[in-house]
Parts: sequence; C-alpha cells; structure tokens
Amino acid sequence: SQQGEEDPQALSIQEGENATMNCSYKTSINNLQWYRQNSGRGLVHLILIRSNEREKHSGRLRVTLDTSKKSSSLLITASRAADTASYFCADGAGSYQLTFGKGTKLSVIP
Amino acid sequence: DADVTQTPRNRITKTGKRIMLECSQTKGHDRMYWYRQDPGLGLRLIYYSFDVKDINKGEISDGYSVSRQAQAKFSLSLESAIPNQTALYFCATSALQGEGQETQYFGPGTRLLVL
Repeated sequence: SQQGEEDPQALSIQEGENATMNCSYKTSINNLQWYRQNSGRGLVHLILIRSNEREKHSGRLRVTLDTSKKSSSLLITASRAADTASYFCADGAGSYQLTFGKGTKLSVIP
Repeated sequence: DADVTQTPRNRITKTGKRIMLECSQTKGHDRMYWYRQDPGLGLRLIYYSFDVKDINKGEISDGYSVSRQAQAKFSLSLESAIPNQTALYFCATSALQGEGQETQYFGPGTRLLVL
C-alpha cells in the first residue's frame, strides 16, 4: 500500500523562485529518498536521508526529515525551467523495498 | 550505454494475449524490481527479486509473473493481458548499501496499451 504522500499534488512557480514539496509517511523508516521523473521517463534518485539525520544538502536541493511528525520536505532553491518534473518521496521502511508516494508535479515557468 | 534497459519501449496488444517485458542491467546489482505506474497512483511494486533464486510478490502481483534468467535479466510476463493492465512499466535495480539503505536505478520504462 502507498505510504509516502506528497503535498501539494501540483506546484507552479516562476523561474528563480524556491519550490518546497512535502512528504508524509505512516510507519517507522530506515531512510527516506527523493526521486525525480521527467515526463514519461524513468525515475532518477536525487537524495537519501537516513532516519537519524535531520537535514541534508545536495547542490540546490535541501531535504529535511522530522521523524516525530513522520514528514520530510524537499526544497529546490533558485528553480530553473529544467527542474520541471514530478518529484516522488519513497520510504525505506525495510531493507528490501521502497514505497513510493503519488508525487508532486512541479512546473517552473521561464 | 544505459545501465538499465527495457524492451520494448512501447507495446500495443490485444486482450487475452501473452506478452513479455524484458529488463537488463549492467550495474552488477543483485536486486531487481518491476513497478507499474498509473496516472495519479504513483508507482506500485509488482514483483521483486534479490537474486536468481529469490523472487517475491509485491503489492499487485495478480495477473503477472516474472522470471529471473540471470543476475542481469528480469522479465515480466502478462499471461493474458487485460485493458486495466494498460500502464507504464518500470524495471529498477539496487544493491544493498551499508545499513540496508537502497538507492534504486530505473530503466526508461515500457508503455503498454492493452486494447
């Protein structure tokens, strides 16, 4: 069953603005991952944050994790038109599979 | 060359037909997965395999079967295709890392239409 749930379902911003997407999950996790999907293509791993971490950075990406609230957020700073894609969170509750959310569709307007 | 490849990339078939989707990887990973993606429903796990002799059902395995022919190859079959199996299918691979955390690497997908 689906565990991670992203919010909002869709987000439209101007180029240069920051984009924030949120993810909630239901059970204890080992890690939480974020993936990106360009329209109709395969998912690409962006960043992984472990359950004992609170914040992680990678380039223009910043991920936070609040295990007490069972939530995570992905911030993309200084967005570009090329960031237009769907973004999925996936929780690694076990050591053998990931459970994906339904995704946030981000549109960055030039 | 892509690390995870899927064939075919697009397929149109008729209800009742048997079809096979193939996945190959050059990453040397032991673990392979098949997902389907439907609009608004995200990705759902169909089957996964941790090695050639280990195959497990996922969330939505009914109507599907798989074969792990080798470490690098994992095929998904629809024995008798039905229209609600129309979807985008993804293969993925992963390797166990450290404390059981996994990053998955996805193929480009197969778009299947069942008429």
